[in-house]
Amino acid sequence: QVQLQESGPGLVKPSQTLSLTCSVSGGSISSGSYYWSWIRQPAGKGLEWIGRIYTSGRPKYIPSLESRVTMSLDTSKNEFSLKLSSVTAADTAVYYCAKEAVNGWFDPWGQGTPVTVSS
Amino acid sequence: DIQMTQSPSSVSASVGDRVTITCRASQAISNWLAWYQQKPGKAPKLLIYAASSLQSGVPSRFSGSGSGTDFTLTIGSLQAEDFATYYCQQANRFPHTFGQGTKLEIK
Repeated sequence: QVQLQESGPGLVKPSQTLSLTCSVSGGSISSGSYYWSWIRQPAGKGLEWIGRIYTSGRPKYIPSLESRVTMSLDTSKNEFSLKLSSVTAADTAVYYCAKEAVNGWFDPWGQGTPVTVSS
Repeated sequence: DIQMTQSPSSVSASVGDRVTITCRASQAISNWLAWYQQKPGKAPKLLIYAASSLQSGVPSRFSGSGSGTDFTLTIGSLQAEDFATYYCQQANRFPHTFGQGTKLEIK
């Protein structure tokens, strides 16, 4: 059974780059027809899909963040990463990684990691 | 982007009640819709995919229906563990988008 776990700094200064990693266990990120996605949720608010990556193609990002987002895969470590540059307070949220089926459903999800943007 | 609108935003119900939550897409999405349950401090959990397919391990009191722009999630007989926030999500077009959520509270 695949499990995902996010890690990274919980506090990032404005204008800096947020960097998170999602470690995958119980399955290889290189196998199967799956995507690996990042989703965020500001406190008390709804869910926002950030983008996805997979081994066989280019990553896809939400247009509103495309200029600031970079996703990558490290198959040797069985993990994938998110970098979000030039962060502001509006980027404060719980960040989730998730396995995305080819049809677009997210399952399972990591437990989430809170990130605060503040000086 | 496709906008997903859920109603109601919150609902109060009692154990044993039947509850229906609605999700409307701003344009037709066929059956490219999923439902998730989220409890406080936890990650969302997939309940229903392809509008009406029950995810493995999810109790049969959960059901989904709809196609095109209008969808429903029904909980047949509420249990204590069902009080949570529910989200719909469309996967028909990029970017994937979620509804704003429906909070199911104990009456």
